[in-house]
Amino acid sequence: EADIYQTPRYLVIGTGKKITLECSQTMGHDKMYWYQQDPGMELHLIHYSYGVNSTEKGDLSSESTVSRIRTEHFPLTLESARPSHTSQYLCASRGPTTGELFFGEGSRLTVL
Amino acid sequence: RKEVEQDPGPFNVPEGATVAFNCTYSNSASQSFFWYRQDCRKEPKLLMSVYSSGNEDGRFTAQLNRASQYISLLIRDSKLSDSATYLCVVNIDQKVTFGTGTKLQVIP
Repeated sequence: EADIYQTPRYLVIGTGKKITLECSQTMGHDKMYWYQQDPGMELHLIHYSYGVNSTEKGDLSSESTVSRIRTEHFPLTLESARPSHTSQYLCASRGPTTGELFFGEGSRLTVL
Repeated sequence: RKEVEQDPGPFNVPEGATVAFNCTYSNSASQSFFWYRQDCRKEPKLLMSVYSSGNEDGRFTAQLNRASQYISLLIRDSKLSDSATYLCVVNIDQKVTFGTGTKLQVIP
């Protein structure tokens, strides 16, 4: 089993709140990714990082921000949540040799 | 044109059937290829890597055709538990690109 963890698993909050979705991995992977996925729909890359102090925006425009201060930790923050942010957010890290992506179980966000 | 394209399905097949999925990619510089499986409301998990020589894992066979820029997944003797969405993934250097996924429903 992959050692990558996301918290919270489920979150219901009101509009305008600031939230941070946590993602941690214990595999020492440099490359980490955040994807957004609506039910039954495709994965969209919103942020990625190739290592400490490296962050880039993905293919899908997102109002969220990320940071990478430590290798194992890649949190995603929404400064002011809106109903349009309701979705599942999946964090992944990538193995250096095989290129396999390991996913966390996801954070399912509902903004009322 | 999308970088990685898949038929979204759904493919509804009876138990025991053989089913094949194709995936095409647009960038000839693509380096590595994978099939992932995603169950409803779960995270994607690696099913198998895809090699130029083709590879098999039990009932699953994956093949890569670089000249035509497509990869395929063949599932033999389908089980109910094979019902899921199958995602094609293509890597170029650091970039990882997912297809939209093909939904498979195996029917009793």
